[in-house]
Amino acid sequence: DAGVIQSPRHEVTEMGQEVTLRCKPISGHDYLFWYRQTMMRGLELLIYFNNNVPIDDSGMPEDRFSAKMPNASFSTLKIQPSEPRDSAVYFCASSSIATALHFGNGTRLTVT
Amino acid sequence: GENVEQHPSTLSVQEGDSAVIKCTYSDSASNYFPWYKQELGKRPQLIIDIRSNVGEKKDQRIAVTLNKTAKHFSLHITETQPEDSAVYFCAASDSGGGADGLTFGKGTHLIIQP
Repeated sequence: DAGVIQSPRHEVTEMGQEVTLRCKPISGHDYLFWYRQTMMRGLELLIYFNNNVPIDDSGMPEDRFSAKMPNASFSTLKIQPSEPRDSAVYFCASSSIATALHFGNGTRLTVT
Repeated sequence: GENVEQHPSTLSVQEGDSAVIKCTYSDSASNYFPWYKQELGKRPQLIIDIRSNVGEKKDQRIAVTLNKTAKHFSLHITETQPEDSAVYFCAASDSGGGADGLTFGKGTHLIIQP
């Protein structure tokens, strides 16, 4: 298995632009998570899906952030408009019930 | 919601010595406690986990202990080696596994001095 696949690995954009991060979970995993990692706040859970349905989005910082999972093998996290404080590493992770969480390699986002 | 506290934030030990990282959690319903290792610029990777029906678990040089009464769990690394240098995260969940997400501690930067 290729593991959780994220793209792009790096994204540099200007303030105000739209950013879309992509994730392909491990086949057979029915839970998908988006985490954000910063030095100040550590690993924060933004949102998670079960069977493509958003279950808990209480970690999404504000309306500028949105996430979708149109099918079992694809999810997106969108930031519109982006701001410099959104700069972070965004991890996608997947799991199934009673199994460990597996992380993707992350997307390093820099907003200038 | 769950709150996980992790100490210390930085730990420096001599190669060959032992390292201990401690975490406390707040939600008594939590029943799954994994530990992740993150090397610089890489993703967090699971190194060991423990469930609430077990008090201790070992895997070669790594062990985890759990005290449910006190709501704390610890990671023990013996005979430390340079490749153990990384950031270690503890986490807790009440789903028995990765479902419903994990609440992570802030991490411990472990430095192995040669």
